[in-house]
Amino acid sequence: ETGVTQSPTHLIKTRGQQVTLRCSSQSGHNTVSWYQQALGQGPQFIFQYYREEENGRGNFPPRFSGLQFPNYSSELNVNALELDDSALYLCASSLGGRAGTGGLYGYTFGSGTRLTVV
Amino acid sequence: RKEVEQDPGPFNVPEGATVAFNCTYSNSASQSFFWYRQDCRKEPKLLMSVYSSGNEDGRFTAQLNRASQYISLLIRDSKLSDSATYLCVVSLYGNKLVFGAGTILRVKS
Repeated sequence: ETGVTQSPTHLIKTRGQQVTLRCSSQSGHNTVSWYQQALGQGPQFIFQYYREEENGRGNFPPRFSGLQFPNYSSELNVNALELDDSALYLCASSLGGRAGTGGLYGYTFGSGTRLTVV
Repeated sequence: RKEVEQDPGPFNVPEGATVAFNCTYSNSASQSFFWYRQDCRKEPKLLMSVYSSGNEDGRFTAQLNRASQYISLLIRDSKLSDSATYLCVVSLYGNKLVFGAGTILRVKS
């Protein structure tokens, strides 16, 4: 059973650029969530995808967007990067659904993508 | 007010000590509760779920008080390997985990 894998592991971008981060969910999981973790803070919920549809969104601007593919892998896209977007971006997968049962049993996190915006 | 509040620490304890962490949450409708552990520059890993009846996993005991909206984690016989940041996490509908900022534990020999 493979875990959650994220790519790339590290990334440096310039302010104003666009970035795409990728996540492969754990085998058997159909739900993917994305979190942003700034230094010294807990992860903040960006959004969740269940069976290719958005299933909840946190307090992030529209320039943060995502996709989930039929194999349940996912992408996070961030446009018009700002310095404050520098953070660890975590993908988490679970077996759940629109009822959110995945949250009842916890999520498996990938090791993250560390994004630095300069 | 933050949705989940934790004492950031750090808690510096000797090996073998017992240490307790607490957290409070603001949304009384929260349904699920967890403790996650995060090592430096690594991803969070689920330590244990937390139930109203209290639950134990080896040296770790978690408690939930819904009336007070309070969650605790007790670690007995601390090991050097327990050094990490402990994240208190609640979930309202299951589709969103709300994390506290974490409590830093340092176990020293």
